Amino acid sequence: KQEVTQIPAALSVPEGENLVLNCSFTDSAIYNLQWFRQDPGKGLTSLLLIQSSQREQTSGRLNASLDKSSGRSTLYIAASQPGDSATYLCAVNLSGSARQLTFGSGTQLTVLP
Amino acid sequence: GAVVSQHPSRVICKSGTSVKIECRSLDFQATTMFWYRQFPKKSLMLMATSNEGSKATYEQGVEKDKFLINHASLTLSTLTVTSAHPEDSSFYICSARDALAVQETQYFGPGTRLLVL
Repeated sequence: KQEVTQIPAALSVPEGENLVLNCSFTDSAIYNLQWFRQDPGKGLTSLLLIQSSQREQTSGRLNASLDKSSGRSTLYIAASQPGDSATYLCAVNLSGSARQLTFGSGTQLTVLP
Repeated sequence: GAVVSQHPSRVICKSGTSVKIECRSLDFQATTMFWYRQFPKKSLMLMATSNEGSKATYEQGVEKDKFLINHASLTLSTLTVTSAHPEDSSFYICSARDALAVQETQYFGPGTRLLVL
């Protein structure tokens, strides 16, 4: 059974810092991996999607990397802003399945002004 | 981008009553929708996969008679929590896959907060 782990569970940084969020998964046979943002009491917003054949994806200040062989992904946030404060979830999409996502427990990020 | 709505956004009900939650894809057709449950500060747990025109597929440990799912059209899936109990209080989120999209992207609804008294 696929297990997805995110470290750290919570992170607090001053505004302007660059930071890295980590995600690891136990089964490397994934179809793709997504990073989501969730604001308190809200649904999920997809940030980046990396196909299994890709190594990284970039969108603005966000960069996500994928290393399938080691079962790891990182989300890099450059020049963090208070508006980046949210919970960040990674989710893997299993190969050969009904395209169901297995989520990590998330990293709660607080960017202090 | 694609939009998924949920209604209601929050609901409070008495124990023993049934609650229906709607999930709609507003600008695309979704042959498959997913229902998740999220406890405070926890991740999303998949409850069931809703397939248009056929029976839903439930995850292990999820009671299909308690959580009734209907996916009657390409833009609407409903989750009915029957005979709700306080332990059913949770945040329920749906997602939908665009049937015509190239990428395997799920679009998530804003969630429904259920409180059973």
